[in-house]
Amino acid sequence: GESVGLHLPTLSVQEGDNSIINCAYSNSASDYFIWYKQESGKGPQFIIDIRSNMDKRQGQRVTVLLNKTVKHLSLQIAATQPGDSAVYFCAENIIPSNAGKSTFGDGTTLTVKP
Amino acid sequence: SQTIHQWPATLVQPVGSPLSLECTVEGTSNPNLYWYRQAAGRGLQLLFYSVGIGQISSEVPQNLSASRPQDRQFILSSKKLLLSDSGFYLCAWSARATNEKLFFGSGTQLSVL
Repeated sequence: GESVGLHLPTLSVQEGDNSIINCAYSNSASDYFIWYKQESGKGPQFIIDIRSNMDKRQGQRVTVLLNKTVKHLSLQIAATQPGDSAVYFCAENIIPSNAGKSTFGDGTTLTVKP
Repeated sequence: SQTIHQWPATLVQPVGSPLSLECTVEGTSNPNLYWYRQAAGRGLQLLFYSVGIGQISSEVPQNLSASRPQDRQFILSSKKLLLSDSGFYLCAWSARATNEKLFFGSGTQLSVL
């Protein structure tokens, strides 16, 4: 079956460095991808999304890259801050037919060292 | 602006007891509503979703049920809890028109003992 998975379960970076979190997906029909950030004991929060007709999308300090050829998604965080420490999930979906039923990966834990 | 409320934040229940978790959404109409469960250190598993009042779809067979008595109210229930029902339960909504990103509540940590 389809799955969304992350290459590494944990990532540790120095404050001020850039972070890159990777994600692989297997459903070639997926056309919408989302990154969420989950802080301890809280619900996930939307960070950024990208549709399959795009390769790159930028937000505030974050960039998502999509490589449909190899079914790979990445989240880049510039100048990582201690407040960025959290678990990051990628999710994939088919819009609108899947009624928002995103498939989530297991998450990457990002730790920012001061 | 839209907000989602989920309660209680934590719950400790004995095996065999009933369960009722409630979720309400404000500031939007006709949302899609979802219940997810998250095991410790893992991703999110979709349990139920609803596209309208009284319309519930179950994604996995289990000891739980869901109901949507009002447009912006979603309830997760069980008649008799099992140990395996322990976990972090999250309610979420998405806009019906776009079916895109999810907005999550703050979650309920359920411990069945």
